[in-house]
Amino acid sequence: DAGVIQSPRHEVTEMGQEVTLRCKPISGHDYLFWYRQTMMRGLELLIYFNNNVPIDDSGMPEDRFSAKMPNASFSTLKIQPSEPRDSAVYFCASSLARTSGSTDTQYFGPGTRLTVL
Amino acid sequence: AQKVTQAQTEISVVEKEDVTLDCVYETRDTTYYLFWYKQPPSGELVFLIRRNSFDEQNEISGRYSWNFQKSTSSFNFTITASQVVDSAVYFCALSPPGGGNKLTFGTGTQLKVEL
Repeated sequence: DAGVIQSPRHEVTEMGQEVTLRCKPISGHDYLFWYRQTMMRGLELLIYFNNNVPIDDSGMPEDRFSAKMPNASFSTLKIQPSEPRDSAVYFCASSLARTSGSTDTQYFGPGTRLTVL
Repeated sequence: AQKVTQAQTEISVVEKEDVTLDCVYETRDTTYYLFWYKQPPSGELVFLIRRNSFDEQNEISGRYSWNFQKSTSSFNFTITASQVVDSAVYFCALSPPGGGNKLTFGTGTQLKVEL
């Protein structure tokens, strides 16, 4: 089975440009998470969706960041306008809640390394 | 609030040595889940293990073993007979129960295994 798919794997852009990161979760998974990894802050959760609905976006750094999940097999994370401090690795993860109250494993995509010049 | 502490920033060992990576957590939940992930130099995050707080049995998987001690809030990871391919950053993570299983990660331990 295919794992979580992310594109692009690497993105280099200039300050002020719009950046769109893409994620395809594992088929059948009903939770999708976006994380950011930096040396300074480590791995931090930005937002997560359940059944395509955003549940908690408290980790989104500011209004320049937005995320959507138009269907069960696709999500985007957009940064507009981008800034050098947004440079990081962005991970998408998905999981399946098997029963109410249970916690399943999050499986991560390969990440997108974003560099904003 | 949940917190995961991995006090060891970097560990260097020689191949075939055993090595233990420490993980201490804090949570007010009576039910929770603990995880270990591996991040090799290629950058992806690879799931290693998931443990329910009700299950304090230690687990062994090949050269990997995990020691969960609820009394000390620790979930340590031991690699036996380390190999160069074990070189990676290892993250311990904590999650509350429920479908929105937000992971709180530790800062990671960089393991370097040398010949």
